[in-house]
Amino acid sequence: KNEVEQSPQNLTAQEGEFITINCSYSVGISALHWLQQHPGGGIVSLFMLSSGKKKHGRLIATINIQEKHSSLHITASHPRDSAVYICAVDGRGAQKLVFGQGTRLTINP
Amino acid sequence: DAGITQSPRHKVTETGTPVTLRCHQTENHRYMYWYRQDPGHGLRLIHYSYGVKDTDKGEVSDGYSVSRSKTEDFLLTLESATSSQTSVYFCAIRDGTGWNQPQHFGDGTRLSIL
Repeated sequence: KNEVEQSPQNLTAQEGEFITINCSYSVGISALHWLQQHPGGGIVSLFMLSSGKKKHGRLIATINIQEKHSSLHITASHPRDSAVYICAVDGRGAQKLVFGQGTRLTINP
Repeated sequence: DAGITQSPRHKVTETGTPVTLRCHQTENHRYMYWYRQDPGHGLRLIHYSYGVKDTDKGEVSDGYSVSRSKTEDFLLTLESATSSQTSVYFCAIRDGTGWNQPQHFGDGTRLSIL
C-alpha cells in the first residue's frame, strides 16, 4: 500500500462544477503539498499546509491531521483547470517528499 | 518563477551510452532533487543533495549517480543508459533556511533510450 493515496485517479466534469480531490496518507507528516501539472507541462506548487485550510482564488485546500486526510477543492471549475493534481507529504524529520499517484482532472466546456 | 534550468530539454540516445542531465539554479537554495516521472508510478526520487558534495540516494537510485560540486549545479548521470531509464526527469530545489518550504520544479527533461 502506498504511503500517499489519492482519489479519484481520474475525474471528468463539466465547466462550472465543484471539484473535490482527496488525499490520504499513512505516515506522520510535518506538511502536505498540493501540486499541479498541466499536460506536457512543468509542475507547480499550489499549496503547502500543516493544519486547517488555505485558499487561493478558486482553489481551496484543507487538511485534517487527526484523520490523515486532505482535500483539494476547485469552485466554478473551468477547462483551464484540466491538469494532473498531485498530493505529496513531508515526513517528519525529512526534507524529502512522498508523492501520491496524481489525479487527472478534465473539465469539459 | 524560481530560477531553475534543466538541460537538455529533450534527448534521444542509444542503450549503453552515458548521459548527463544538468540542473542549474540561481536561487542559492540548499536542497536539490532529481525525480523521474513515469505513467503509473508518479514522481519518484532518484537522488537528492543537501549541500555541496552532500548527496543521498532516493527510492530508485540504481543505475544513476549524481554530483554537486557547487551550489548552483546538480548533475544526474546515467553511466550506461538502458531502455528502462526512458522517462521524464524533473529537477527540484528547496530553500533550507526554514522548515517545510515548498519545492520548485524545473520544466523537465524528456529522455528516450533506444
